[in-house]
Amino acid sequence: QVQLVQSGAEVKKPGASVKVSCEASGFTLTDHYIHWVRQAPGQGLEWLGWINPKNGGTNYAQHFQGRVTLTRDTPTNTVYLDLTGLKAEDTAVYYCARLPRDYVRLGWFDLWGQGTLVAVSS
Amino acid sequence: DIVLTQSPKSLAVSLGERATIHCKSSQNILYSSNNKNYLAWYQQKPGQPPKLLIYWASTRESGVPDRFSGSGSESDFTLTISSLQAEDVATYYCQQHYNPPLTFGGGTKVELK
Repeated sequence: QVQLVQSGAEVKKPGASVKVSCEASGFTLTDHYIHWVRQAPGQGLEWLGWINPKNGGTNYAQHFQGRVTLTRDTPTNTVYLDLTGLKAEDTAVYYCARLPRDYVRLGWFDLWGQGTLVAVSS
Repeated sequence: DIVLTQSPKSLAVSLGERATIHCKSSQNILYSSNNKNYLAWYQQKPGQPPKLLIYWASTRESGVPDRFSGSGSESDFTLTISSLQAEDVATYYCQQHYNPPLTFGGGTKVELK
């Protein structure tokens, strides 16, 4: 079954870091750019950045520069989102999403993970 | 950054009636060299991730019912549901991929009247 499977919900304190995983199943991870998008409760969608799993190349939204790091582990078909310096405003569902095969950097998302809730609270 | 403004924010439509959602871009997202509009549409139901409906502004994703259609060019786009079904109750988002950062519209919530 073709899917992206994300890790479970996290509760963190302000200032902490979180690492969310996204495992590709049923397809070759290195054939697709993977992006991360978040959605605060009751709000719209906000793009964080992308990773090229083939070579590890990344690009981040300016708003998150310095706080977000995307990495990949190709033997396990998994990409990771690291977000540091968490604030209450980072409380959101974080999604990984796939570009169609052979599309580079930007595009539309034809497959999404189920989402991971990250709650930041003291 | 390219700003996408969706309207209306919400609309209530009767079963079998037409629903029309607009998405206006702050700049032209038609790439002249390939004559393609860099816009996609998604449907999101509560507790679920978004689902791709339309890409290149008017190309329906495989498996999406033909009651969903996309139109428009340059900076004005429309998503139309020709005959609303109960399962179409959801929030709809447009997204541009013309320039980074990728941006989304604010969403339009479609409900049953």
